[in-house]
Amino acid sequence: AQSVSQHNHHVILSEAASLELGCNYSYGGTVNLFWYVQYPGQHLQLLLKYFSGDPLVKGIKGFEAEFIKSKFSFNLRKPSVQWSDTAEYFCAVAKGGSTLGRLYFGRGTQLTVWP
Amino acid sequence: SAVISQKPSRDICQRGTSLTIQCQVDSQVTMMFWYRQQPGQSLTLIATANQGSEATYESGFVIDKFPISRPNLTFSTLTVSNMSPEDSSIYLCSGLTVNNYGYTFGSGTRLTVV
Repeated sequence: AQSVSQHNHHVILSEAASLELGCNYSYGGTVNLFWYVQYPGQHLQLLLKYFSGDPLVKGIKGFEAEFIKSKFSFNLRKPSVQWSDTAEYFCAVAKGGSTLGRLYFGRGTQLTVWP
Repeated sequence: SAVISQKPSRDICQRGTSLTIQCQVDSQVTMMFWYRQQPGQSLTLIATANQGSEATYESGFVIDKFPISRPNLTFSTLTVSNMSPEDSSIYLCSGLTVNNYGYTFGSGTRLTVV
């Protein structure tokens, strides 16, 4: 079965620090990759996604992620975090193809940014 | 992108009772998904709901406990039946947009069973 691993469960940073959150998946075929963010009390919002093409994907709010197929990874990065980035971040994977199916989620990483 | 309205946002229920959660989408979606998110854990898929057919349940989830309806392309309900404290969780619905562009999520229902 497909699995998604997020290695960091809780990350604490000061403002302006750089961020990298790891995500690895187990499926060997074509995949579609997503990062979602959940701010306290709010619903899941899409940060960025990769379907095909340039493996370096830019999303909203200055986030980017790099798909490295050989490493089965899709790590999320931001060069300088802000207090408002405090949230939970989920990596998710769907099998690739003409029709998207279900998403497989990682367990999430809680990011806390101190002002 | 599609927006999902999910109700109720939270509820406290007595054990042995049932709660029905509703999701209304403002545009058509193809598949709809129901997830459970327990504290400190990932989103676990309960079932996939397609219009006009029975939902497809994941291992560990059964229709008698979590009956799902999907009468049209913009609406679905999940019922949590005969609740016990172990059912206390956040329940989320999600829809796959018709252009296969991605997924949209409801705001979640925080259920506490006492």
